[in-house]
Amino acid sequence: DAKTTQPNSMESNEEEPVHLPCNHSTISGTDYIHWYRQLPSQGPEYVIHGLTSNVNNRMASLAIAEDRKSSTLILHRATLRDAAVYYCILKRSGAGSYQLTFGKGTKLSVIP
Amino acid sequence: ETGVTQSPTHLIKTRGQQVTLRCSSQSGHNTVSWYQQALGQGPQFIFQYYREEENGRGNFPPRFSGLQFPNYSSELNVNALELDDSALYLCASSLSWENTEAFFGQGTRLTVV
Repeated sequence: DAKTTQPNSMESNEEEPVHLPCNHSTISGTDYIHWYRQLPSQGPEYVIHGLTSNVNNRMASLAIAEDRKSSTLILHRATLRDAAVYYCILKRSGAGSYQLTFGKGTKLSVIP
Repeated sequence: ETGVTQSPTHLIKTRGQQVTLRCSSQSGHNTVSWYQQALGQGPQFIFQYYREEENGRGNFPPRFSGLQFPNYSSELNVNALELDDSALYLCASSLSWENTEAFFGQGTRLTVV
């Protein structure tokens, strides 16, 4: 799977929007962009995924660049519960295993 | 609450021993994957089972093996434990191996001494 690059850590004030960037310059046409987060002492939790168009769900929004070489996870109003490690993952579509290749992710701290 | 449960939550084993970790997936999820997460690292893919057959494997030696059962439960077996096997072991279930959401359990913390 193609590689992603994320900042090691970010900080946000509570109730403010958070933009978590991810670079994936070697993305292929069939790669989906997935985001998971991992709260302390828990397993990873699915956040959102997309292919080309921007996506919204109850947790977050995913903005995908037109050339698909980068994407941004947007948390509209950060809460203390959003403090976690956020992973940006590329997943190739098609037959085969559902392997998620995690990097080190971005550790998000939320300041009250 | 993901509907995926793992047991036990914590386990201590001695080097050279064998261990079996268990996972109960969501009903209807015919795909289960196992991951190893060392301290401070992201999870690493061990293998995946689809309808009781292994259909994908990461860079792990054969002493890591698994089973998936028709009742949506699965096992991860590790033989000849090494100190470096100390990690959090996570299972994840999904409806299929396509691009659907994976639901993770809370993991089993294995310590090898």
